[in-house]
Amino acid sequence: AQSVTQLDSQVPVFEEAPVELRCNYSSSVSVYLFWYVQYPNQGLQLLLKYLSGSTLVESINGFEAEFNKSQTSFHLRKPSVHISDTAEYFCAVRETTSGTYKYIFGTGTRLKVLA
Amino acid sequence: DTEVTQTPKHLVMGMTNKKSLKCEQHMGHRAMYWYKQKAKKPPELMFVYSYEKLSINESVPSRFSPECPNSSLLNLHLHALQPEDSALYLCASSQAGTGGWETQYFGPGTRLLVL
Repeated sequence: AQSVTQLDSQVPVFEEAPVELRCNYSSSVSVYLFWYVQYPNQGLQLLLKYLSGSTLVESINGFEAEFNKSQTSFHLRKPSVHISDTAEYFCAVRETTSGTYKYIFGTGTRLKVLA
Repeated sequence: DTEVTQTPKHLVMGMTNKKSLKCEQHMGHRAMYWYKQKAKKPPELMFVYSYEKLSINESVPSRFSPECPNSSLLNLHLHALQPEDSALYLCASSQAGTGGWETQYFGPGTRLLVL
């Protein structure tokens, strides 16, 4: 079974500073990787995904993530964060079990943007 | 339209009550999921339906009973729950094919409190 590791449980950063949220996965086969964001008292929203093709993927709100096969990583970055980016961020990998997709989530990283 | 809706938003129930959570999507997705999320934790997969058939049950206690009456609806019937079942219950859906571009979309969740 695949697994996802998010080593940082909490990342504090000042507004307008850059941030990187780390995600490592364990798999030797093709992977599909996702970043989800969860604002307080809400469900999960898809931020961006890597399915194939270009290893650098971007979201509409300035986040980007790079798929690195040799390092089995899919770190999330943003060059300048806003207060509104404060949320929980989950990295996930999709695997197939009995012909059905399962999504394996990391433990999450709480991004706290400070004024 | 990439919306998954869930009702109710909040639910308080006693340990002897019977209640149901509802989830609906109109994206033509044929895979639907129930997750349980405790505070400050990642979502934990409970059930997966693929083409209206239960394909994954992650050893969930029988006091949780899923139902998929049609391709757009997913229910979770609750009976004789315990206080430790209090959590945010998330529904999600995705395509169920093998095109490689399937993405999971989440509803806003139902926050359940068992007294």
